[in-house]
Amino acid sequence: QSVLTQPPSVSAAPGQKVTISCSGSSSNIGNNYVSWYQQLPGTAPKLLIYENNKRPSGIPDRFSGSKSGTSATLGITGLQTGDEADYYCGTWDSSLSAGRVFGGGTKLTVL
Amino acid sequence: QVQLVQSGAEVKKPGASVKVSCKASGYTFTSYGISWVRQAPGQGLEWMGWISAYNGNTNYAQKLQGRVTMTTDTSTSTAYMELRSLRSDDTAVYYCARGESPQDYGDYWGQGTLVTVSS
Repeated sequence: QSVLTQPPSVSAAPGQKVTISCSGSSSNIGNNYVSWYQQLPGTAPKLLIYENNKRPSGIPDRFSGSKSGTSATLGITGLQTGDEADYYCGTWDSSLSAGRVFGGGTKLTVL
Repeated sequence: QVQLVQSGAEVKKPGASVKVSCKASGYTFTSYGISWVRQAPGQGLEWMGWISAYNGNTNYAQKLQGRVTMTTDTSTSTAYMELRSLRSDDTAVYYCARGESPQDYGDYWGQGTLVTVSS
């Protein structure tokens, strides 16, 4: 059971837009930065978004992040077949058992 | 370019220990820390802890306290993660990731090391 809640799967057609939600609480998303990762099959996670909405160099502006209250959202526009992957949100949790926490992951299928 | 290269796959028996290495290059090793994250087969990501390469300060996940030790060797720019008293549910791919602090997002990741615990 992950601390952050993501939908198990989302799907959309090539060229379309998709959003992936990540829900938490005041001890994590509500008071800390959110990051997003893309994990292609058989590979290590890759940072897509950090500090809620910033993109590392090399990440196309098709990927965007936002945060409101205790939830965050990853948006992907102009979907490509190469975007098929698992996507994870992550943040710091400031509760008694403080540590970095992740969502359970969302499988994106580009139909 | 920043690279984190991890050691190869391991097979261990229950109760044994494993030590995974993560060799950094392309940046000043002591200016950052290293987080360790694991992923059980078909499961999500689990943060294990973080170590400062500057002063060796550590921050471990409460769940693993007492079983995990993270260290660094600044002479070789290598970070290590040792996990003891292995159980079958420790079977996972173990990743290292660069981060300035325990709270940091991890901008570069190693390729992963599969640790299999089986009798």
